[in-house]
Amino acid sequence: EDKVVQSPLSLVVHEGDTVTLNCSYEVTNFRSLLWYKQEKKAPTFLFMLTSSGIEKKSGRLSSILDKKELFSILNITATQTGDSAVYLCAVGEQAGTALIFGKGTTLSVSS
Amino acid sequence: DVKVTQSSRYLVKRTGEKVFLECVQDMDHENMFWYRQDPGLGLRLIYFSYDVKMKEKGDIPEGYSVSREKKERFSLILESASTNQTSMYLCASSSEGDTQYFGPGTRLTVL
Repeated sequence: EDKVVQSPLSLVVHEGDTVTLNCSYEVTNFRSLLWYKQEKKAPTFLFMLTSSGIEKKSGRLSSILDKKELFSILNITATQTGDSAVYLCAVGEQAGTALIFGKGTTLSVSS
Repeated sequence: DVKVTQSSRYLVKRTGEKVFLECVQDMDHENMFWYRQDPGLGLRLIYFSYDVKMKEKGDIPEGYSVSREKKERFSLILESASTNQTSMYLCASSSEGDTQYFGPGTRLTVL
C-alpha cells in the first residue's frame, strides 16, 4: 500500500487564488518530509521539514508538518501561472537512505 | 550549486538492445539514486548506491542493473530493453541529509 499519499491528484485554479496541497504519510520511523516542485524537467527542492508546528516559508510558498497526525501541507498564496507544476512530497525514514515519494499533485494555474 | 548531469535528454532504442544511462554529480555526494517516473505512478526507486561499488535494490529493480565504480558516477543498465521500460529516468544524489538533487532526466523510448 502507498506510504505517502498526496491529495488532490490534480487541481485547476485561477491566478491569485490560494491553494493548499496535502501529504499524509505512514512510515515506521519518520525522519523528514520534503516537498519538491517539478515543471517539465527535474524536481527542484522546496522544503524539508523535520519538526512539528514549525512553518517553513519561501516567498508565497509555505509548509508545515504535523507529526502527530502524520501529514504536511504546502500552501501557495496569490498563485501565478509559473506555479503550474507537479508538486511532489517525499518522506525519509530513520536508518534509511532512500526517500519514499507520493504520486504528486498536478497544479494548473490559469490566467 | 549542486550539479547532477545525465548523459542524454532523449534516447530511442530498440527492443532487446542493451542500454546505458549515465549520471554524474559534482558535489562528492555519497548517495546516488535512479528513479523512473510514469504518469499516474509517480517516482519509483529502481536502485540506489550509498558508496562506491555498493548498491541496494529499490522498489522496481527487475530488468535493471547498476554500476558505481567511481563516487561521482552512477550508471543504470537495461540488459535487454523492453517496451515497458519506456519512461522518464531521473538520477539524484544526496549527502548525509535527505535532500536529493535531481538531474534533468532522460526520456527513453523503446520501440
